[in-house]
Amino acid sequence: KNQVEQSPQSLIILEGKNCTLQCNYTVSPFSNLRWYKQDTGRGPVSLTIMTFSENTKSNGRYTATLDADTKQSSLHITASQLSDSASYICVVSDRGSTLGRLYFGRGTQLTVWP
Amino acid sequence: DTGVSQDPRHKITKRGQNVTFRCDPISEHNRLYWYRQTLGQGPEFLTYFQNEAQLEKSRLLSDRFSAERPKGSFSTLEIQRTEQGDSAMYLCASSLATSDSPNFGEGSWLTVV
Repeated sequence: KNQVEQSPQSLIILEGKNCTLQCNYTVSPFSNLRWYKQDTGRGPVSLTIMTFSENTKSNGRYTATLDADTKQSSLHITASQLSDSASYICVVSDRGSTLGRLYFGRGTQLTVWP
Repeated sequence: DTGVSQDPRHKITKRGQNVTFRCDPISEHNRLYWYRQTLGQGPEFLTYFQNEAQLEKSRLLSDRFSAERPKGSFSTLEIQRTEQGDSAMYLCASSLATSDSPNFGEGSWLTVV
């Protein structure tokens, strides 16, 4: 069964600190992996997209890594800001489906305290 | 604003009533998705269009749910005989190709009382 598991479920950090969010998936055959940021009550916004051959990709203070062998990804946030408080969702798509089916994790709820 | 637009943003309805949500995707995007999201959960796939063709429907999309994209541009999602379990945020997303990250709208919140 194709699944996406994220950890931790929630995380609280102090402003200025770094943190790392984890995503494990069983989706096969793998096509790509995306990280989205979703503010409360808003739609998800794409942060990064990574294909099988990419190990790391950065977007400002966000750095995503991908290990396609172990089927793990991480999202590292550097020098956190209050505005980083949101849910971070890992999304994996499979290559077997011509429709590009997306499999969503439940998200990690990040809270940044001043 | 050239992003994905959804209307209405919020809807409160009585159980048993019908509701319709509209999604206007980014103009050049031929793929359009509908998702449902409840609190603390990731979005769940409902249905998918390529142009005007509805190519896939989730088992979550019971016969009370119907989606259309008549001209391959905007899409509507109708829920008939709403139930309290239908209360959720309904998200629309669009993309140009499967390799692209879908762009999501702000969602339409439905509360069934």
